[in-house]
Amino acid sequence: RKEVEQDPGPFNVPEGATVAFNCTYSNSASQSFFWYRQDCRKEPKLLMSVYSSGNEDGRFTAQLNRASQYISLLIRDSKLSDSATYLCVVRPTGGFKTIFGAGTRLFVKA
Amino acid sequence: EPEVTQTPSHQVTQMGQEVILRCVPISNHLYFYWYRQILGQKVEFLVSFYNNEISEKSEIFDDQFSVERPDGSNFTLKIRSTKLEDSAMYFCASRLGVETEAFFGQGTRLTVV
Repeated sequence: RKEVEQDPGPFNVPEGATVAFNCTYSNSASQSFFWYRQDCRKEPKLLMSVYSSGNEDGRFTAQLNRASQYISLLIRDSKLSDSATYLCVVRPTGGFKTIFGAGTRLFVKA
Repeated sequence: EPEVTQTPSHQVTQMGQEVILRCVPISNHLYFYWYRQILGQKVEFLVSFYNNEISEKSEIFDDQFSVERPDGSNFTLKIRSTKLEDSAMYFCASRLGVETEAFFGQGTRLTVV
């Protein structure tokens, strides 16, 4: 089983749509969780950290289910500028290594 | 806003040559990283550096690679005897604390010919 697994997509959605991305991780000792976005040939940029109680930042909502080892990202009211690859990132407790999923590609169409 | 800076943005080198990729992490950060991303593939962890030593490394980070923090600001990745398959984007990242997020530099595109 891959350490961090994401649906590769691509997801093609119209502007204004709601889209959800899922991510599973294999190491139950994982402690810190993040969603990054990556534009083509650019560096990953932090979108949001993921907290146990779930958290929201504007149109973005992240959820964590430790029992199922599952993380999700919900994007509401999609914008053209949301088109990017969304990366699920996991770091184990006390560890330094940060593990990236392969990413889910999102295309938002006008 | 503080940022991680990397130089050069693009490096072309001949197979077998040595390259040094340079990074200036955010000044008060304590944890430093190098990642690699081959075109079209995932971001791969190479090495982490904390308290002036390597704290963790991946199986990719073999004797061909080394890292240094020669002074208080720079963090370098040296790749010896470069191979065609070393062609990739190399990202440096830094973070402040144990639970905090990492910030990435804009990357160095290494092309081995």
